[in-house]
Amino acid sequence: SAVISQKPSRDICQRGTSLTIQCQVDSQVTMMFWYRQQPGQSLTLIATANQGSEATYESGFVIDKFPISRPNLTFSTLTVSNMSPEDSSIYLCSVALFGGSLEETQYFGPGTRLLVL
Amino acid sequence: AQSVTQLDSQVPVFEEAPVELRCNYSSSVSVYLFWYVQYPNQGLQLLLKYLSGSTLVKGINGFEAEFNKSQTSFHLRKPSVHISDTAEYFCAVSDPVGSNYKLTFGKGTLLTVNP
Repeated sequence: SAVISQKPSRDICQRGTSLTIQCQVDSQVTMMFWYRQQPGQSLTLIATANQGSEATYESGFVIDKFPISRPNLTFSTLTVSNMSPEDSSIYLCSVALFGGSLEETQYFGPGTRLLVL
Repeated sequence: AQSVTQLDSQVPVFEEAPVELRCNYSSSVSVYLFWYVQYPNQGLQLLLKYLSGSTLVKGINGFEAEFNKSQTSFHLRKPSVHISDTAEYFCAVSDPVGSNYKLTFGKGTLLTVNP
C-alpha cells in the first residue's frame, strides 16, 4: 500500500476565491487521480494526473476550473478556482499501485473537506 | 462505460447479526472489483479487492466478497457485525483494458449497526 497525505485537511473559503490542495505520497507512483465527493454522494473522478503529461479531465470538469500540477512522482496539486457554494465537497487524491501482472489497486488519501460560503 | 449499482442505500442491522451489501456492475470482458469503507469524517480505506484468481476474496475486519461473473455481482458479506462497522461502503469497478484504470463507484450503502 501507500501512505498518502493531503493538505489542508479542511478549509472554509469565500466564494470567488481559489484553494490549492496538495497530495503527497510516500513512494514514487506514475498514476494519480483526483476525485470529488459531494455531500451525501459517491465519488466522481475529476481527472487523471500522470507525471510528465497533461492531466486528463473527465466530462464535466475543465482545466480552467480545476487546474492540476504533477511536478514529480510523489506530489500533485489540485486547485479549485473561483469557488462557489456548489464546490463544497470532499476532494480526495488517490494513487494506483501495481502488483504482479500489472494488477492495479487504488489507495486514497484522507480527503480535504471544503466548505464555500 | 462501466456502471455500478448498489441496490441498498441504507442497511440497518443489529450487532452480531450477519450482513450482505449488494453490488452489481455492468458487464465487461474483464474487470477489477473493489470494496472501500468510509468511516465518518474519514477518507476511503480499501476493504478488499478482486483482481483475478479465487472468486471468494477475504478482506480486513472479517469481511469477504464473492465475484460472480455470470450474475455480474460482487456482494460483500460479514457473518457477525460490530458497532464499529457502522460506515459507508462503496463498491467500485475498473476496466483494466479500456479505461486507464479509472474507478467507477456505486452510490454507496450506509451500514448502521445498532446495539
